[in-house]
Amino acid sequence: EVQLLESGGGLVQPGGSLRLSCAASGFTFSNFAMTWVRQAPGKGLEWVSGVSGRGDRTLYLASVKGRFTISRDNSKNTLYLQMDSLRADDTAVYCCAKGNVDGDYYYMDVWGKGTTVTVSS
Amino acid sequence: DFVMTQSPDSLAVSLGERATIKCKSSQTVLYSSNNKNYLGWYQQKPGQPPKLLIYWASTRESGVPDRFSGSGSGTDFTLTISSLQAEDVAVYYCQQYYNIPLTFGGGTKVEIK
Repeated sequence: EVQLLESGGGLVQPGGSLRLSCAASGFTFSNFAMTWVRQAPGKGLEWVSGVSGRGDRTLYLASVKGRFTISRDNSKNTLYLQMDSLRADDTAVYCCAKGNVDGDYYYMDVWGKGTTVTVSS
Repeated sequence: DFVMTQSPDSLAVSLGERATIKCKSSQTVLYSSNNKNYLGWYQQKPGQPPKLLIYWASTRESGVPDRFSGSGSGTDFTLTISSLQAEDVAVYYCQQYYNIPLTFGGGTKVEIK
């Protein structure tokens, strides 16, 4: 069974950092792009960042570029999101999702349940 | 950025009746070289992550009931639930994957009348 399981969320002060992880199983992890999508409380879905199968190409939403870093460890079947200089408007549930291909342009065919990030003093 | 506009924001439909959701892209998502529309639809039930329903604008994901169908091309798309069931109560999102950043519509909440 294909599964994605996020961890690492929590409460952090503005300006602080968090590192999210997403453990993947049930598919050949390195063959697919992976992505992070967030959902602020009561709001819609927002793509945050994506990474190619080998990890050599990364893409970011403009508002997180320079603050967030996406990476992956294919030996551990794990996706990461390092979040620095966090702001209140980064508060959201963060889901990892699998792209249908290894590339930049994909739909997400498997989603994790998400981990909650709350930025507040 | 590609802006995806969904309508209506919410709709209430009787059990067994048809539900129709519209999605309009600010620019075409039809890639001329392969004649494919880079448009997907997702269903999100309360407390759950999104679930892929439709990709390439009209291809149903494996396991998705055939009462769900997608249509449209270029900038205008439709998700139709032909006979609404109680388990279809959810928020539905369209997403374009033609351009970075990948963008979603604002969502349409479907309820039972």
